[in-house]
Amino acid sequence: EAGVTQFPSHSVIEKGQTVTLRCDPISGHDNLYWYRRVMGKEIKFLLHFVKESKQDESGMPNNRFLAERTGGTYSTLKVQPAELEDSGVYFCASSQGAQGRMDTEAFFGQGTRLTVV
Amino acid sequence: GENVEQHPSTLSVQEGDSAVIKCTYSDSASNYFPWYKQELGKRPQLIIDIRSNVGEKKDQRIAVTLNKTAKHFSLHITETQPEDSAVYFCAALFAGSARQLTFGSGTQLTVLP
Repeated sequence: EAGVTQFPSHSVIEKGQTVTLRCDPISGHDNLYWYRRVMGKEIKFLLHFVKESKQDESGMPNNRFLAERTGGTYSTLKVQPAELEDSGVYFCASSQGAQGRMDTEAFFGQGTRLTVV
Repeated sequence: GENVEQHPSTLSVQEGDSAVIKCTYSDSASNYFPWYKQELGKRPQLIIDIRSNVGEKKDQRIAVTLNKTAKHFSLHITETQPEDSAVYFCAALFAGSARQLTFGSGTQLTVLP
């Protein structure tokens, strides 16, 4: 069974450009999460989908970030326009927990390392 | 807001020694505490978790303890091996409407051969 996959693995863009990150969760997992780790700091929650619906987007830093999960399958996270402080590793995770619960194992993707120069 | 503090940020031990990583959390209603291990260039992977109705859980060389009164939980690795070298993250699931995992800042564990 394929795990959570993310694309691209690395992205280097200039300030002001747009980048779109993609996450394919484990098939059948209704819960999909985006997290971000900035250099040397904690993994911070961005948002949570249950199927195609946004359950919680309280961690999204500002309106330059837009996440979608069309059809409740894969998800995209777009940053437009990118700023220097957006650099970091963006992780996606999925879990099978019922009703949006996360107290079952969350499986992580390998992350996308975003560098904004 | 919800907060998880993790210490130490770096830890070096000799092969065969034990390693202990500690975390504290702010929300006394938290009920689920997983630990993730992230090896260099790889994805974070769950290694052990504990729920609030249990004080200790063991899985071979790894154990986690939970003190709900003090609001802290710890990861214990015994008989460390070089392959245990990685970044370890603790996390807590806070009760309430949000119900997403809040992570600690990570501990870089290095096991010296």
